[in-house]
Amino acid sequence: NAGVTQTPKFRILKIGQSMTLQCTQDMNHNYMYWYRQDPGMGLKLIYYSVGAGITDKGEVPNGYNVSRSTTEDFPLRLELAAPSQTSVYFCASSYTATGGSYEQYFGPGTRLTVT
Amino acid sequence: DQQVKQNSPSLSVQEGRISILNCDYTNSMFDYFLWYKKYPAEGPTFLISISSIKDKNEDGRFTVFLNKSAKHLSLHIVPSQPGDSAVYFCAASEWSSGDKLTFGTGTRLAVRP
Repeated sequence: NAGVTQTPKFRILKIGQSMTLQCTQDMNHNYMYWYRQDPGMGLKLIYYSVGAGITDKGEVPNGYNVSRSTTEDFPLRLELAAPSQTSVYFCASSYTATGGSYEQYFGPGTRLTVT
Repeated sequence: DQQVKQNSPSLSVQEGRISILNCDYTNSMFDYFLWYKKYPAEGPTFLISISSIKDKNEDGRFTVFLNKSAKHLSLHIVPSQPGDSAVYFCAASEWSSGDKLTFGTGTRLAVRP
């Protein structure tokens, strides 16, 4: 099992450009998440999905969009990149059932710089 | 409003001694707590968790203690090893929010050989 994979590992964007951060998991998890981590801060939830076709906003959704057409994939879209979106982005997944443990499995992250 | 707080940004401990990492929370609806460990250039990895119905959970060298009245939890690592050097994040969840986790800002642990 590869677990949670993210591409690219690094990216530099110019202000106003757009890009998609890819995330794939091979654990058949129903829940998937996108977080961002700014220097010296904890992880903040951007968007999450409880299953294919269902997404919802997290704590910091502005400037981002997501879709979930399959169980495995959960891409994050930045439409008009801004310097405030410079961060490290982590994708995660979990299997949730009644009495679930809330343990989330994280990808290695994408370091994004917007200049 | 920071609902999960880790007030010590860093901690340095001698190899073989105990490491104690602390976490405080303000939301009384949180009922499940987790610790994650993060190495540089990697994603966080799950370490140990505790439900609010317990006050202690052990897994090998790692023990998490929960004091609900004080809204405080701590992670004890005994004995500490150089490989434990990493950033440790405390996270919390409430049943009604499903799997959404609220993370603290992390504590960087350095274990000196």
